[in-house]
Amino acid sequence: DQQVKQNSPSLSVQEGRISILNCDYTNSMFDYFLWYKKYPAEGPTFLISISSIKDKNEDGRFTVFLNKSAKHLSLHIVPSQPGDSAVYFCAARYSGGYQKVTFGTGTKLQVIP
Amino acid sequence: KAGVTQTPRYLIKTRGQQVTLSCSPISGHRSVSWYQQTPGQGLQFLFEYFSETQRNKGNFPGRFSGRQFSNSRSEMNVSTLELGDSALYLCASSPGYTGWTGELFFGEGSRLTVL
Repeated sequence: DQQVKQNSPSLSVQEGRISILNCDYTNSMFDYFLWYKKYPAEGPTFLISISSIKDKNEDGRFTVFLNKSAKHLSLHIVPSQPGDSAVYFCAARYSGGYQKVTFGTGTKLQVIP
Repeated sequence: KAGVTQTPRYLIKTRGQQVTLSCSPISGHRSVSWYQQTPGQGLQFLFEYFSETQRNKGNFPGRFSGRQFSNSRSEMNVSTLELGDSALYLCASSPGYTGWTGELFFGEGSRLTVL
């Protein structure tokens, strides 16, 4: 039962343009949503998060939007840079669920110079 | 501050064998989680330990087990290996305090190949 879903396995974007990565979830008990970035042969690294009580969080070139009614979140990268090429995982934390974080299947972003 | 350290980085086993993977969390972190990454499946949650106690468990068979020591270091064990156990096993640590918002610090993983 995949409670966090990333339906696009890959995405290609030109350098300087906007990258939009999407994520859907099914469990209303999630209270924090996070994005992680993973390069080959490295572990995932935290990128940005958003509380379920907010609808937007911004950090530099990265913005995460949350639509609770649609159970949908997205990560916007503007402008996209070649160094952003990586696999991006959407993740969600259960409220009251101690330290359990559920991940999506990932989207491989390629930024073309 | 040293990051999360996982050993070994790569290993090859044959079906039916068992394997033990080790994880040293960031100093001061008391929670350790384990994930399995396979192509197309993303990161699947295995289990989470805090103060030597398993607090959360994912949907994996009993062949997958783990433990945590008093210094917060953790090990996971897979017995009676199957071909489908070939994966990248990732360990992640976090402070473990109430109010934690989900940020995990990952190691580089242990790549297991089962032949």
